[in-house]
Amino acid sequence: DVKVTQSSRYLVKRTGEKVFLECVQDMDHENMFWYRQDPGLGLRLIYFSYDVKMKEKGDIPEGYSVSREKKERFSLILESASTNQTSMYLCASSLLGARGETQYFGPGTRLLVL
Amino acid sequence: SQQGEEDPQALSIQEGENATMNCSYKTSINNLQWYRQNSGRGLVHLILIRSNEREKHSGRLRVTLDTSKKSSSLLITASRAADTASYFCATDLSGGYQKVTFGTGTKLQVIP
Repeated sequence: DVKVTQSSRYLVKRTGEKVFLECVQDMDHENMFWYRQDPGLGLRLIYFSYDVKMKEKGDIPEGYSVSREKKERFSLILESASTNQTSMYLCASSLLGARGETQYFGPGTRLLVL
Repeated sequence: SQQGEEDPQALSIQEGENATMNCSYKTSINNLQWYRQNSGRGLVHLILIRSNEREKHSGRLRVTLDTSKKSSSLLITASRAADTASYFCATDLSGGYQKVTFGTGTKLQVIP
């Protein structure tokens, strides 16, 4: 069965802290994505990666960075957390191939920055 | 701005009724997908319809696509309380690279 896991369901951090959100998939997918979800704004793409050590900026990359050292793991890093980064963060993966293929999502991490 | 926008933003129906949600988008697409999200959880893929298809069925779900109007609809027949969730359409742009754009979602409540 397809599985995407995220390291935490809930996280509370202080302004200025460095925050790591981890995502692991067991489906051998090439593509991995990080989104944030805010009320009224839907899902917005932060970064995505189509291969190990490759990354592409999404629609809202400012204040974030990513790391993909292994195919199954994609990390989102908040270098210096700010209150406006309080949000639900969703990780997803998909197969490389035809564009816009099905994405498989993790359960999400709800981050609160105080 | 969002590529896909769902309508209505919220919908409340009685169990057993049909629910219809619409999605409009702005530019040409390769395919369109619908996802469901239960409260506070990740999204689950429901159905994908390609730009050369007009209608697709999966169980109690029926999806239509009208590329001339740049719109799609999701029909859930004989709704159940367990269908209570938010529903999102996602489009990939023709020429786009491996990513899709999600709409803001329709929140469906099915009252038992």
